[in-house]
Amino acid sequence: KNQVEQSPQSLIILEGKNCTLQCNYTVSPFSNLRWYKQDTGRGPVSLTIMTFSENTKSNGRYTATLDADTKQSSLHITASQLSDSASYICVVSANTNAGKSTFGDGTTLTVKP
Amino acid sequence: NAGVTQTPKFQVLKTGQSMTLQCAQDMNHEYMSWYRQDPGMGLRLIHYSVGAGITDQGEVPNGYNVSRSTTEDFPLRLLSAAPSQTSVYFCASSYSYNSRSGANVLTFGAGSRLTVL
Repeated sequence: KNQVEQSPQSLIILEGKNCTLQCNYTVSPFSNLRWYKQDTGRGPVSLTIMTFSENTKSNGRYTATLDADTKQSSLHITASQLSDSASYICVVSANTNAGKSTFGDGTTLTVKP
Repeated sequence: NAGVTQTPKFQVLKTGQSMTLQCAQDMNHEYMSWYRQDPGMGLRLIHYSVGAGITDQGEVPNGYNVSRSTTEDFPLRLLSAAPSQTSVYFCASSYSYNSRSGANVLTFGAGSRLTVL
C-alpha cells in the first residue's frame, strides 16, 4: 500500500531559526512529490513540486530536496518567520494511480517570537 | 480571479438530513476533486472529475454523490448525513490531468466545516 510518513508530527522553533521537515514515502512507481503549506482554517497552498529527475527546488525561504533512491524528501525553512506557523503537507503521486495522490498527515510548525 | 470558491463555510446538520456543498472554479481547470480532512489524518479523496460529465470514486466515497455538468462546478451531495461525516471538506482543482500520474498542482478552496449532530 502506498504510504507517506511525515516527521516530526509537530515542531516548535524560535523566530529566525532554521528547520527541516521530513517526508518518507513508499509510493511506487514514483511520479512527483509536492509540498503544501496549510494555514489554520485555510486550504493548502502549493510550495514546490518535484519530479524524479529533480533533487532540489526552492521557493523563497523554502527549499525542498528529493532523494528518489531512498524515497525521502525534506523541506528546509530558512530564517523562520511567525507567518511560517502552519501545517506542511507532503503529497506523492504514483505513475499508475490515475487521479489519486497519497497525502501525508502533515507536520505542524509553530514559530514563536 | 476568485480561484476555487466553496459554500457554505460552516454547516450544522442533523443525522439523516441531506445537503449539497458547492464548489466553483473560474480557472477553466479540467480536474476537480473533493477531500475531507479529519484531525490527525491526512486529506482523503472522496470523489474526483477529469472533465465535464466524468466522475470517479476516490478513497472514501461512501455516503457522497457528485456530478460535473459544467467545467466550473463540482457539487458534493451528502445523501443522509451521519456523525461520521463531521469533517472539514476541501474542493480542489488542477489545470491538467495525466491518466497515469493524476492531477497536477492542486488549487484548494478555503474549506467547508460540517458538523453532523
